[in-house]
Amino acid sequence: SYVLTQSPSVSVAPGKTARITCGGNNIGSKSVHWYQQKPGQAPVLVIYYDSDRPSGIPERFSGANSGNTATLTISRVEAGDEADYYCQVWDSSSDQGVFGGGTKLTVL
Amino acid sequence: QVQLVESGGGLVKPGGSLRLSCAASGFTFTNYHMTWIRQAPGKGLEWVSYIRSRSSYTNYADSVKGRFTISRDNAKNSLSLQMNSLRAEDTAVYYCARIKWNDDPAAPDYYFDYWGQGILVTVSS
Repeated sequence: SYVLTQSPSVSVAPGKTARITCGGNNIGSKSVHWYQQKPGQAPVLVIYYDSDRPSGIPERFSGANSGNTATLTISRVEAGDEADYYCQVWDSSSDQGVFGGGTKLTVL
Repeated sequence: QVQLVESGGGLVKPGGSLRLSCAASGFTFTNYHMTWIRQAPGKGLEWVSYIRSRSSYTNYADSVKGRFTISRDNAKNSLSLQMNSLRAEDTAVYYCARIKWNDDPAAPDYYFDYWGQGILVTVSS
């Protein structure tokens, strides 16, 4: 089955840029979706189809996908962005959803 | 607005059964595939199962195949997950979610645009 790999943690100072990566074999050929989960809450979709933002998600959130790595970029990071972030693809060969292990974003 | 509300969680002994339900509102339920996703305490998200909008087609994660059954009642805007032969490792918060997809039947691509608040299932003696 398809495997997605995320770094466990990323730390960034307020106002700086955070980059959270998601690795997978030729992931650039798939669409990647990203979710934000704050403690005690359900996940929220923040990026879909690599780089599209749902309504209500700030423009500070952006995504890219190429080769073996997809990246979620959060510009001008705020304290409220502190959360776990998960990447997700749909594995069409098995017709199953796949999540990365998640990255904890800490705002210093 | 879209609302998904799970119910039916609780404490169950290993080997026991439990049935989760998810009440959907605020959208045309029959137009959407639906899914269950779980999260063990302190762990990441794990996709569990999905069911297509108007058909009986379903699929499951290997970890639950043969033990869990997903179903839906389109007349009642309701999604269910029947969980049998439960194990300690099934302990998790279970979320129901709505699936959005592309328009390419040859290469379906699904993501989850709305989630319920989650319901805790604890399997312990």
